[in-house]
Amino acid sequence: AQKITQTQPGMFVQEKEAVTLDCTYDTSDPSYGLFWYKQPSSGEMIFLIYQGSYDQQNATEGRYSLNFQKARKSANLVISASQLGDSAMYFCAMRESLTGNQFYFGTGTSLTVIP
Amino acid sequence: DAGVTQSPTHLIKTRGQQVTLRCSPKSGHDTVSWYQQALGQGPQFIFQYYEEEERQRGNFPDRFSGHQFPNYSSELNVNALLLGDSALYLCASSLGGGSRSYNEQFFGPGTRLTVL
Repeated sequence: AQKITQTQPGMFVQEKEAVTLDCTYDTSDPSYGLFWYKQPSSGEMIFLIYQGSYDQQNATEGRYSLNFQKARKSANLVISASQLGDSAMYFCAMRESLTGNQFYFGTGTSLTVIP
Repeated sequence: DAGVTQSPTHLIKTRGQQVTLRCSPKSGHDTVSWYQQALGQGPQFIFQYYEEEERQRGNFPDRFSGHQFPNYSSELNVNALLLGDSALYLCASSLGGGSRSYNEQFFGPGTRLTVL
């Protein structure tokens, strides 16, 4: 089974609108971390936001927020007030305590912001 | 504060050859992980080095090997290259230990390897 599933290969959003990128995960480890990364065409993975499995509140970082629904094993990224520079690939990732140090990544969602 | 650096940026090799990729971690970081990202896919974990030892390994054959130096920089070696090894190779650095900062990985710009 896939550890991380991103079901949206591509998304479009109008500039200044909000957009939600979906991510579901699969783990039996009670302790894990969820991450979102942005990958522009240059290739570098840029860390956006982190949510720990025991965190009570949804994580927020500026225009990014993570809609964490633990029972549904979902960790959707919400980008508010989209900007043209937000156009990129977005990857959801997970690290489990039991498996130690490796990050599991989804297949990514390509976001295009339309002016 | 220097981020993660990787060299070379691009590399073209032929089948059967060997290649070495290099990574310098972010200042203050002691742990280096390597990932392979095929076109249109998410990164796949190859292995992680900490204290100059391979600490964990993903599902990659022994043709993939690595090394970490006392200054925490790292090399990824791939022997007997196959066409399927063509990918973007990403290096990520982090801090060993149990703090939250350990959870965060900082990635380099990657090395794009093409095998002909």
